[in-house]
Amino acid sequence: GDSVTQMEGPVTLSEEAFLTINCTYTATGYPSLFWYVQYPGEGLQLLLKATKADDKGSNKGFEATYRKETTSFHLEKGSVQVSDSAVYFCALSDESGGYQKVTFGTGTKLQVIP
Amino acid sequence: GAVVSQHPSWVICKSGTSVKIECRSLDFQATTMFWYRQFPKQSLMLMATSNEGSKATYEQGVEKDKFLINHASLTLSTLTVTSAHPEDSSFYICSAREWGKNTEAFFGQGTRLTVV
Repeated sequence: GDSVTQMEGPVTLSEEAFLTINCTYTATGYPSLFWYVQYPGEGLQLLLKATKADDKGSNKGFEATYRKETTSFHLEKGSVQVSDSAVYFCALSDESGGYQKVTFGTGTKLQVIP
Repeated sequence: GAVVSQHPSWVICKSGTSVKIECRSLDFQATTMFWYRQFPKQSLMLMATSNEGSKATYEQGVEKDKFLINHASLTLSTLTVTSAHPEDSSFYICSAREWGKNTEAFFGQGTRLTVV
């Protein structure tokens, strides 16, 4: 079955530091890949997405590139801010079987300190 | 983007009572909605897939009789936690995808259920 593996957290960074959160996946078909962000006490918000190999998703300074050869979708940001503190979920959606299920990674908590 | 509204945002109930959580797609039609449960410091666990006009598909290990799902229209799905117990206390989140479009899933804001 499909699965998503994320680096374990928590990740603690100083403001303006470089962020990388690793994400790898296994899927039977050709999935779309997503990063979601969850702020404390809230639901999930889509951060960025990529629907095919070599696509780069970007939003709010975050980027991730769909790497089919390494089955990865690592999240990066050049300079984090305190307001980026949240839990980040890597996810995939594989509709090869016509089933719109989204599979999530375990989430990585990011804490940015001033 | 599309909006999914979940209600209530939080609820406290007594053990043995039932609680209903609503999930609405406000500006699009969703033939399929998903219900997740999130334990503290853990990822989202898919509980069931709700299909409009038909029975929900439950994931392995999820009790159908305890977590009743109804998807009566293209914009509304409900999750009823029956005879709730303290171990049912959790964060429940719904999501929906727009019918006919290959887009991301849109999530509700979640419902914090506390059973006392």
